[in-house]
Amino acid sequence: DAKTTQPNSMESNEEEPVHLPCNHSTISGTDYIHWYRQLPSQGPEYVIHGLTSNVNNRMASLAIAEDRKSSTLILHRATLRDAAVYYCIRANTDKLIFGTGTRLQVFP
Amino acid sequence: NAGVTQTPKFRVLKTGQSMTLLCAQDMNHEYMYWYRQDPGMGLRLIHYSVGEGTTAKGEVPDGYNVSRLKKQNFLLGLESAAPSQTSVYFCASRGFTGGGQPQHFGDGTRLSIL
Repeated sequence: DAKTTQPNSMESNEEEPVHLPCNHSTISGTDYIHWYRQLPSQGPEYVIHGLTSNVNNRMASLAIAEDRKSSTLILHRATLRDAAVYYCIRANTDKLIFGTGTRLQVFP
Repeated sequence: NAGVTQTPKFRVLKTGQSMTLLCAQDMNHEYMYWYRQDPGMGLRLIHYSVGEGTTAKGEVPDGYNVSRLKKQNFLLGLESAAPSQTSVYFCASRGFTGGGQPQHFGDGTRLSIL
């Protein structure tokens, strides 16, 4: 099972948009793309997921490339509480396949 | 709403001791999962279950056993603990409908093996 590829870390200033990229070039046609985030000393928290179309919810937006080989999580206005490790994950019928994630730092 | 509850939250064991970690969910979810997370790493799947009475191996199953006798509970056992099993263990559950269902995670069990 090939894992996704993400930058190790990214930085943002508060109230600025953040675009977190993810490469999943070997994704199969039935795999969903999930994003979770993990705050220090907590379990992962679901953020958003999609299959082919772009998705929006109250937390974020997910932009999926037309060929599905990459995606971008968009936080429209970063807050200090958004500082976390963000995981881009392939999800097949049974399992999530975690990579090492992107550590997002948000500066006031 | 309890969601996913893990018991205990912390535990220290000596090498060779055995113990069982309990995961309970109150969302009537079919699927349940056990992961481990080592410092600076992502989560790795140990075992999972797609329904009551079923279990399957994940990425790192050696040294662990699991049971799913009741739909709401998923137990992770260490028969003979080793220092390499020092980690944070997370349980998760999700509903049935394919890869589009999000997983709900517990707060973790921090386990140290001396």
